[in-house]
Amino acid sequence: DSGVTQTPKHLITATGQRVTLRCSPRSGDLSVYWYQQSLDQGLQFLIQYYNGEERAKGNILERFSAQQFPDLHSELNLSSLELGDSALYFCASSVDPAGLQSETQYFGPGTRLLVL
Amino acid sequence: GENVEQHPSTLSVQEGDSAVIKCTYSDSASNYFPWYKQELGKRPQLIIDIRSNVGEKKDQRIAVTLNKTAKHFSLHITETQPEDSAVYFCAASIRTGGSYIPTFGRGTSLIVHP
Repeated sequence: DSGVTQTPKHLITATGQRVTLRCSPRSGDLSVYWYQQSLDQGLQFLIQYYNGEERAKGNILERFSAQQFPDLHSELNLSSLELGDSALYFCASSVDPAGLQSETQYFGPGTRLLVL
Repeated sequence: GENVEQHPSTLSVQEGDSAVIKCTYSDSASNYFPWYKQELGKRPQLIIDIRSNVGEKKDQRIAVTLNKTAKHFSLHITETQPEDSAVYFCAASIRTGGSYIPTFGRGTSLIVHP
């Protein structure tokens, strides 16, 4: 158990819908990262939040958004869902005190999203 | 863009043999190189990592080597066991926005035959 929690574990929805995935980082970790893992794409970095503010952006679609709340938990919102959005979505956290060097990331168990 | 190449995509070995997975990266500023093991349907778990001021690191049957000049790093697993079967991902930190973000290779599926 990495100490990172994610809910829900599984999510089945239809095209065009909107869903919210939730992540709670390890106690004391200030940074939260979101990744998408599809069968043919490996682990794709989506976005990072540090202490409530967006720090870095990767290959995140405009239909997707995220935020980090004062208690440091984070939510990833996926809207206008398409079949191709079906994937495992992982959240990871790290201490990242200053962002000046890379810190070890600890991954949550993931949310498996299936869009029908 | 910046990327990480990982080879081979599949590696099949007999129990007790050694396994080597190799990665190359393009960003000369990368300074952190973690390796993750992911079992089917589970989270990636860190197994070993190395920073750019070190050339080699070992933890029991697992070792990682780094050649900064050539921009490549490798994972070595000795005396493989069936429970080592999993997908292994390398990563290299890439400067992204205000952070260094691990960029992952596409993974190596390691199969250890008993």
